[in-house]
Amino acid sequence: GAVVSQHPSRVICKSGTSVKIECRSLDFQATTMFWYRQFPKQSLMLMATSNEGSKATYEQGVEKDKFLINHASLTLSTLTVTSAHPEDSSFYICSARDSDRLGSNQPQHFGDGTRLSIL
Amino acid sequence: GENVEQHPSTLSVQEGDSAVIKCTYSDSASNYFPWYKQELGKRPQLIIDIRSNVGEKKDQRIAVTLNKTAKHFSLHITETQPEDSAVYFCAARGGDSSYKLIFGSGTRLLVRP
Repeated sequence: GAVVSQHPSRVICKSGTSVKIECRSLDFQATTMFWYRQFPKQSLMLMATSNEGSKATYEQGVEKDKFLINHASLTLSTLTVTSAHPEDSSFYICSARDSDRLGSNQPQHFGDGTRLSIL
Repeated sequence: GENVEQHPSTLSVQEGDSAVIKCTYSDSASNYFPWYKQELGKRPQLIIDIRSNVGEKKDQRIAVTLNKTAKHFSLHITETQPEDSAVYFCAARGGDSSYKLIFGSGTRLLVRP
């Protein structure tokens, strides 16, 4: 089945550090990937839609200069949390949609998530 | 934009009983409704999905029903087992071309042995 690899799984760093998270589709091409943030005991909140070869589309209230998204290839999207602060601590999860499959209603495949802790 | 509401937030059932989780959505153009199961600290896993041209879908002990007129859909788990304990999320894909999913707030299901 479709596999999405997300790396790293856990990051602990000091306030002010920038952190990059990678999301790769391993056996399919993904022109569209999605980045979510999940606080403890809460739902997945969509942050942005990552589009291969073009700018990401951010959801309302998400700072695009704070959360930089790059989708330079059909299998890789990266999320960089710039100048991270303790309030950015959260579980970040990516998902990808198989671009090769016909039909608009295909499932999204999720990565394992990255637990980010800012001290 | 799409808004998805999910109830209940917590659900405790005895092993062997059935569990029902309900969701409503706001965008009448939404056409795809997946359900995910998430265990603590893990990725959400798709357990079943339904498209807007279908009213019901079943996969062994899991079934989903969709009422487009009322804009609600439900997850039914029969013969629950302790390993069904997890957080369940419904989601809806809006009617635009973005393919993005909007998630419900989640239901924490506990199956008591």
